[in-house]
Amino acid sequence: EVQLKESGPGLVQPSQTLSLTCTVSGFSLTDYSVHWVRQPPGKGLEWMGVMWSGGSTAYNLVLKSRLSISRDTSKSQVFLKMNSLQTEDTAIYYCTRHYYSVLFDYWGQGVMVTVSS
Amino acid sequence: DIVLTQAPLSVSVTPGESASISCRSSKSLLSSKGITSLYWYLQKPGKSPQLLIYRMSNLASGVPDRFSGSGSETDFTLKISKVETEDVGVYYCAQFLEYPLTFGSGTKLEIK
Repeated sequence: EVQLKESGPGLVQPSQTLSLTCTVSGFSLTDYSVHWVRQPPGKGLEWMGVMWSGGSTAYNLVLKSRLSISRDTSKSQVFLKMNSLQTEDTAIYYCTRHYYSVLFDYWGQGVMVTVSS
Repeated sequence: DIVLTQAPLSVSVTPGESASISCRSSKSLLSSKGITSLYWYLQKPGKSPQLLIYRMSNLASGVPDRFSGSGSETDFTLKISKVETEDVGVYYCAQFLEYPLTFGSGTKLEIK
């Protein structure tokens, strides 16, 4: 069964660093790419970046200076780190997978991150 | 960045009737390989988004054939025939012709 599950702190202080983990099962990170997408409360979806199956990454330029995506294929995990968090980074953070023409057929349940002191 | 403009903002539909949602792109989404990189998702209340249509007109696995996608290089339509109460939620289009991947702002479907 294909699953993606995000984990991380629910509360982060302003100016601090957010670290999230996406743990996947039912497929291999060397066959599928994993993207991060976020959604501020009551708002739309924003693409953050991707860990390609080959190991390279790409980022949304508006976040690139603050964002880093990495992975550990042996643990089937993809990591997101974003620094200098501000209140506008409060959102649900999702990981989702991608295989050739099929973009985002499975999503994690999302993790709510609140940036507040 | 490619901007996707969805219309209407919201739509109210009687069960059994059809609904159409428009997505207009600021740039052609037709690639040099002849692929139209336009996707449709439904986000049901309190849930993660789910894929409905990929590459403009291909039905995702497990999605009822009441859903269909069509369009040209810049203008796209998601049609839902015989709307059911379970179709309630926000519909998003998305493009991945080029970075950054972008989403439309969403269309909320409600049941009358």
